[in-house]
Parts: sequence; C-alpha cells; structure tokens
Amino acid sequence: EVQLVQSGAEVKKPGESLKISCKASGYTFSSHWIGWVRQMPEKGLEWVGIIYPGDSDTRYSPSLQGQVTISADKSISTAYLQWRSLKASDTAMYYCARGLRGHTPPPFDDWGQGTLVTVSS
Amino acid sequence: EIVLTQSPGTLSLSPGERATLSCRASQSISSNYLAWYQQKPGQAPRLLIYDASSRATGIPDRFSGSGSATDFTLTISRLEPEDFAVYYCQQYGRSSPGAFGQGTKVEIK
Repeated sequence: EVQLVQSGAEVKKPGESLKISCKASGYTFSSHWIGWVRQMPEKGLEWVGIIYPGDSDTRYSPSLQGQVTISADKSISTAYLQWRSLKASDTAMYYCARGLRGHTPPPFDDWGQGTLVTVSS
Repeated sequence: EIVLTQSPGTLSLSPGERATLSCRASQSISSNYLAWYQQKPGQAPRLLIYDASSRATGIPDRFSGSGSATDFTLTISRLEPEDFAVYYCQQYGRSSPGAFGQGTKVEIK
C-alpha cells in the first residue's frame, strides 16, 4: 500500500525558515515524481513543483520559483519543501503527492495528509 | 501560460441526477494531458481521471471524462451521496505544467 506521511503542523513567524517533510512507503521512491501542492485557506489547489528522486530533476511553478526549495533523500524515501524566509502569505495547507508513472510532468495518484503551515507575527 | 477555467462555480443537484462539469483551457493541452480530482472537506484531493478519459485505480465507472484540445468534461452519471464535493481539473502538459482550475463545487439541492 502506497503511503505518504507528512510532518506535523507548524506555526512560524515571518522571516523564519522552515523545512517540511513527506515520507513515502509502499513503492520504489526513486521511480516516481513526487510533488507539492499548496492550498491557501478556503482557496483552490496550486501546483508548487515536483522532483524526480532518481536523478533529482526538479521543476517549479514560475510564480513560486526562488521562494521555495524542493529536495529529496533517496536513502530514507523522503521529500522536502523548504523556505528560507517565510511570509504571512505562505500560510496554507501543503500536500505532497506521488506522480503517476509514465508522465512527465505527472498527475498525482496518491496524496499525503497535508501539513498546515501558519505564518503569523 | 495555460489558464484553466471551470464552470459552473457551483452545481446544485439531487442524488441520482447527472452532473456535468466543464474545464476550458486558454490554449490547447498537449496530448490531452488533463486530470480531474475530487476533494472533500478536510481531506486531500483524490485523482479520478487522467489523460482526459482514463479512470484512476478504484474509481467507480459512474465517473467519466471526455474532451480534447481546450474543452474537457467530467460527467458523474448518477450522483451518490458521497459524490458531493469540490472537483478540480489540472493540466500537466509541458506548457505551464501542473496548473489547476479554480474548482466546481457540487452541492446537494
């Protein structure tokens, strides 16, 4: 059974850094893209970016490039999303999701439970 | 950049009725790389349809997708109580990869 288990909710102040995680199991981590999707409060879904753990190929939404960094550690089947300097506008639920094999970029066929990030002074 | 526009914003229907949701793209989507997701309150999205018309694993056959180029449709043949949710389309072609539509809420009439 595919499982994506995300790290817990975070409350941060503007300007602080943060790294959230997504631990995958039940499939070959290196063989599927894994991505991040943002959902601001009461809003729709927004694609943040994806990484292919097999070769670390990473792609970002043009609107978020430079604002976040996506990485992955194959040795522990874990993907990460990080910020160097958070803003209040980063407040959102962040989902990790596994890419459907055979597509680049892919739709997402399995999802984590979400990590709520709250940025407030 | 491809923009996806979903309509209607809200669809009010009764269980047993047919639901037809539209997703229109500002440019042609390569290879019909369009997906549909369902999201219920407090839950992560769930993939329903990919490549415009292929059902994802475990999705009931009352869900079907159709369309090509710039116009796509998700049809739910007979609404079950668990189908009332928000539905999003997403394109994953090489132009503007990953862009989602703004969503259509299917609510109980």
